[in-house]
Amino acid sequence: GAVVSQHPSRVICKSGTSVKIECRSLDFQATTMFWYRQFPKQSLMLMATSNEGSKATYEQGVEKDKFLINHASLTLSTLTVTSAHPEDSSFYICSAPKGGQGYLAHYGYTFGSGTRLTVV
Amino acid sequence: KNEVEQSPQNLTAQEGEFITINCSYSVGISALHWLQQHPGGGIVSLFMLSSGKKKHGRLIATINIQEKHSSLHITASHPRDSAVYICAVPRGFGNEKLTFGTGTRLTIIP
Repeated sequence: GAVVSQHPSRVICKSGTSVKIECRSLDFQATTMFWYRQFPKQSLMLMATSNEGSKATYEQGVEKDKFLINHASLTLSTLTVTSAHPEDSSFYICSAPKGGQGYLAHYGYTFGSGTRLTVV
Repeated sequence: KNEVEQSPQNLTAQEGEFITINCSYSVGISALHWLQQHPGGGIVSLFMLSSGKKKHGRLIATINIQEKHSSLHITASHPRDSAVYICAVPRGFGNEKLTFGTGTRLTIIP
């Protein structure tokens, strides 16, 4: 149980275009979704936290106008990389608390399968 | 902010060997997470533990809260265990956000 489906798994886009990444919780309600970015051989870095029905909170140094996050329902959170540039090429992955916000200590986290973005 | 250190960064072993990966953190936590990242990038949660020891198949995770240290052990290692193993801890008590270690890249040679 507690599966997050992430799409697409890979995307190649031209510089200047926008790319949307979706994360869907399949069998539970994800009131909170964490979005991470991972560069090669580096650890996951939290970009932002989305909460259903409210604005996302971004980590310091992450441009909120460039990385648009929408969490319009309890089962869908999206990350849109706007006006992508080659330096945005990275591995993006989402994660949700299995028990919903506030129950982390009991149930842990589930992760999407990740999206490898290449901007050419 | 919680600082997380993992060791070793890279580990190559022969099939069947007993594997130990270590994780230390700086700030008291409610629970620590061990994750497995496959070559394709997908991440699987292996353990969440707040005290003592947990076992799942050939994987064993231990934690010493007082010493702020955890270990992940793999018994009878197999090539399919080859992956990156990541330790993650909350930024602080009651903080949902995780801080991740840099990971241990494990390669098991047949």
